[in-house]
Amino acid sequence: QVQLEESGPGLVKPSETLSLTCTVSDYSISSGYYWGWIRQPPGKGLEWMGSIYHSGNTYYNPSLQSRVTISVDTSNNQFSLRLSSVTAADTAVYYCARETQVPSRSFDYWGQGTLVTVSS
Amino acid sequence: EIVLTQSPGTLSLSPGERATLSCRASQSVSSSYLAWYQQKPGQAPRLLIYGASSRATGIPDRFSGSGSGTDFTLTISRLEPEDFAVYYCQQYGNSPRYTFGQGTKLKIK
Repeated sequence: QVQLEESGPGLVKPSETLSLTCTVSDYSISSGYYWGWIRQPPGKGLEWMGSIYHSGNTYYNPSLQSRVTISVDTSNNQFSLRLSSVTAADTAVYYCARETQVPSRSFDYWGQGTLVTVSS
Repeated sequence: EIVLTQSPGTLSLSPGERATLSCRASQSVSSSYLAWYQQKPGQAPRLLIYGASSRATGIPDRFSGSGSGTDFTLTISRLEPEDFAVYYCQQYGNSPRYTFGQGTKLKIK
């Protein structure tokens, strides 16, 4: 059973950079799959932010592309999210998830999510 | 961008009843790339259906998906108490690669 766990600060000041890490257990990131970040503002729907392959290949949501960076650390079986110049609108629960590609494109394993609040 | 519109926004039903949830896309979506998720309060979404009609591992057979093109449906044949939750559809396509519907809240009547 693949397990994912998000970690990072729960409070970030406006204009600063949000940084989160997802640690994957019981599956080696290097074995394949893309790995993604999805967020959910309180009481609202889901927004895909971007995804990364173990090789470092990434693709991002164009609405966030200028501010988001996703990286991978295969030695620690982790991948990370950085979101710069945050505002209150970036307050959300942030999820990491495994992205399937065959036979469909969806997210089959998710972390429990971590709430990040942007406030001074 | 492909926009997914789910209806109804809220559905009130009783245990044992049949639930039909709709997901309409603004452009045609490949059936291979349409998925459904269930989310309960305080929990991460759980993958129910992928490829429009295939159940994910461990999902009971009372959940079924159908549809093609721009119209997709999630059906729960006989509602169990644990099925009351929010349901999201999701598509994979061009920029952005993934979009989600706004969700349907399934409430106990």
